[in-house]
Formats: sequence, structure tokens, C-alpha cells
Amino acid sequence: EAGVAQSPRYKIIEKRQSVAFWCNPISGHATLYWYQQILGQGPKLLIQFQNNGVVDDSQLPKDRFSAERLKGVDSTLKIQPAKLEDSAVYLCASSLELAATDTQYFGPGTRLTVL
Amino acid sequence: QKEVEQNSGPLSVPEGAIASLNCTYSDRVSQSFFWYRQYSGKSPELIMSIYSNGDKEDGRFTAQLNKASQYVSLLIRDSQPSDSATYLCAVKGGEGNMLTFGGGTRLMVKP
Repeated sequence: EAGVAQSPRYKIIEKRQSVAFWCNPISGHATLYWYQQILGQGPKLLIQFQNNGVVDDSQLPKDRFSAERLKGVDSTLKIQPAKLEDSAVYLCASSLELAATDTQYFGPGTRLTVL
Repeated sequence: QKEVEQNSGPLSVPEGAIASLNCTYSDRVSQSFFWYRQYSGKSPELIMSIYSNGDKEDGRFTAQLNKASQYVSLLIRDSQPSDSATYLCAVKGGEGNMLTFGGGTRLMVKP
């Protein structure tokens, strides 16, 4: 079974530029998550989707970050404009459903460097 | 705001010893508890999950949960150099069923 796919793996941009990340979850997984992991810290949830609906985006900086999952499968996360403090690894994860016992499986991540 | 606390380490143990990793959480309604391993430059990988009080064993790993004390731990027996990684404690449950991670403990197993 294929895992969670993400692209690109690495991205370097200058501050005030925009960037987009793509995620394809494990087939059949209804729930998709975007996390931000700053070096030396644990992952922080930005947004979670159940099918194509947003379940929680309370920690998403909505003035610059946006995410969508239009057909309930693939998702994109966009940053516009980027700031230096956005340098981090952006992890996508998926799980079967939203149940407390459902395991989240992580993709390889996209390492973003903002100069 | 749900909080999950871990000692950042590094925790250094000799090869063959038992490594003990600890985690405390603030939200009493938390229902599910996970330990993820993260090698440098890689994404988190689930190694253990535990949902009820007591111990759960899987090979060299034992997870321990004490909901009254809001405490969860991971024991790694016969530690190997390949166990050297950052171990992330994650807690789920309550409003939104969000998974909240601790900052991770870096484990170093010395040959």
C-alpha cells in the first residue's frame, strides 16, 4: 500500500514570495492533516480535513496560510506571503477517520527555507 | 490549550540498557496516546499506541499509561544504536479530537 505522498521535498524562497505544497493521502483515508514542524520542536497541527470539509483550522495563520481539499482526496497548502519564521518542515498526514484510536500516517514532509 | 510535556534530552544510555522516556499531558479528557519515533531529517513513525491504564508491550517496547497522574511513558529494552532518534509523545481526544505533540526527547544509544 502506498504511503502519504508530498511534493516538493525541498523549497527555498525569499520572504514575501508565495509557495504551495501538495499532498496525496493513503487511498481510502478520509481525514487529512497539515502540520508545521519547526526545528527542535514537535509537529503543530495547522488544519485538518474530513473528506473535503474543514474540521479544525484554529491554529492556521489565516492572514497568510490557506489550504484546500476540493475533491476530498489531494490537498494543497499555500503560504502567501512567506515570512522568515515560516521556515519549517510541513508534514501531511492521513488517517481512516476522525476516531480517537485512528492512527495518523505521515508523509516525508516538505522542508521550506525562507531567506 | 492542550499541552504535552517532554524532557528534550538528550537522554544517553549504553547499548543493551533500558531507556525510559516520559511524557505528561494537561487535558484530562484525552483518550488516546501515541509514541512516534523520528530520525533526523525523516518524518514521524508510529511505534506504540495505548488507550487504557496499565502496560502495553510490543517487542522491545513497553508503553505505560496512568490517566490519574496524566502520565505516559515508553520503555525500550535492550537499547540499540539504531534506536537513537527523537521520540515524540502525542495525545488525542477532547474537542476536535486533535493530535497534540510534545516537543520530543532525543535518545542517544552509545555502543
